[in-house]
Amino acid sequence: QVQLQESGPGLVRPSQTLSLTCVVSGGPLVMTGPYYWNWIRQPAGKGLEWIGRINNDGSSKYNPSLEGRVTISVDTSRKQLSLRLTSVTAADTAVYYCVRYDGRSYDAFDIWGHGTTVTVSS
Amino acid sequence: QSVLTQAPSASGTPGQRVTISCFGARSNIGRYNVLWFQQLPGAAPKLLIYSDNQRPSGVPDRFSGSKSGSSAYLAISDLQSGDEADYYCATWDDSLNDRWFFGGGTKLTVL
Repeated sequence: QVQLQESGPGLVRPSQTLSLTCVVSGGPLVMTGPYYWNWIRQPAGKGLEWIGRINNDGSSKYNPSLEGRVTISVDTSRKQLSLRLTSVTAADTAVYYCVRYDGRSYDAFDIWGHGTTVTVSS
Repeated sequence: QSVLTQAPSASGTPGQRVTISCFGARSNIGRYNVLWFQQLPGAAPKLLIYSDNQRPSGVPDRFSGSKSGSSAYLAISDLQSGDEADYYCATWDDSLNDRWFFGGGTKLTVL
């Protein structure tokens, strides 16, 4: 059973860069086949916001509201997905989820990590 | 601001049937499959419905999805206390800026 585990610094200063990683276990992190790898976030007590994804051809697509600040990358040898968000503000405080999108069986976000909490504060 | 509108709250008593609505537009629900997620307190969201009305294995058939035009619905029958959670709809939107949207979520209370 594939599992995703996010990790990150917990606290980031305003204007700094947020960097998170997600380790895939129980299965491969492959850049072929039907899977896309996403980041989704959720401010405390609020709804979900899609940040972006990396496609199985290595290209990326991002939420236009975050375009220019966000980069998603993957290291298949280490089975790691990464998120980089620059120039953070308090509005970036949220739980960040690493999420697999299955484009074959479900055409849906089928596997979620437990999430990692990030607070932006001085 | 989401393009998908959900009522912030819903409630029902054990055994009842409850329906949660998700209103969108032709550029999202009207054109693309809708997903539904259940988020229990303190947990990550869980896929409940995909392709408008399909259940992943392991999801009880008490949960059902439907769609009409640019609106989608999640019905929960035989309501149980364990169903108390936040429910989110989601779909792709291709107006102006292509991206995934989630509804604002509906908090279901089992009275």
